[in-house]
Amino acid sequence: GQQVMQIPQYQHVQEGEDFTTYCNSSTTLSNIQWYKQRPGGHPVFLIQLVKSGEVKKQKRLTFQFGEAKKNSSLHITATQTTDVGTYFCVENTGTASKLTFGTGTRLQVTL
Amino acid sequence: EPEVTQTPSHQVTQMGQEVILRCVPISNHLYFYWYRQILGQKVEFLVSFYNNEISEKSEIFDDQFSVERPDGSNFTLKIRSTKLEDSAMYFCASAYRGNTEAFFGQGTRLTVV
Repeated sequence: GQQVMQIPQYQHVQEGEDFTTYCNSSTTLSNIQWYKQRPGGHPVFLIQLVKSGEVKKQKRLTFQFGEAKKNSSLHITATQTTDVGTYFCVENTGTASKLTFGTGTRLQVTL
Repeated sequence: EPEVTQTPSHQVTQMGQEVILRCVPISNHLYFYWYRQILGQKVEFLVSFYNNEISEKSEIFDDQFSVERPDGSNFTLKIRSTKLEDSAMYFCASAYRGNTEAFFGQGTRLTVV
């Protein structure tokens, strides 16, 4: 079935370093959402991207949707320990009745 | 701020028993979902529900599973004859529209022994 792959699976950075996670699909995506899950927590919505080539920023987070709408990325500038968690890209299908989670990237930030 | 609530937070059950996981979605939301996450792994889609019927279900959601919205506020997931491999965190989510953000509950950790 539909699988949305993310790389890397895991990344460990020092606080202050940048971090990027990439999301790739084999098919054209209708839109993409990003969620964050803190350790022991539940997924929390971050943002939705709809248009080809769209770029959105939230403070230190920059989200990008590829021109072909087959990939997306999340970049965090100057990571902080509060950024620790797993970041999931999530495809919202055209029927709007299913959210397909990517494989996730777990981010660990140490001082 | 409105939130999705799930009960219980943790349930331990004997293999072969039936469990019912309960969710109260955000009141004006129209789309409801159940997901599960085996420890540290991917968040897997189980089922979506709209307009009082199942919209879509995954291959995981077989005859062992059923969902109900019995009273217009609760949204339940029933697992019949639980198996060891059903042990996971089960998340309920709701959304106002299908193409908008989904709000997830805190989850129910199901342990089958």
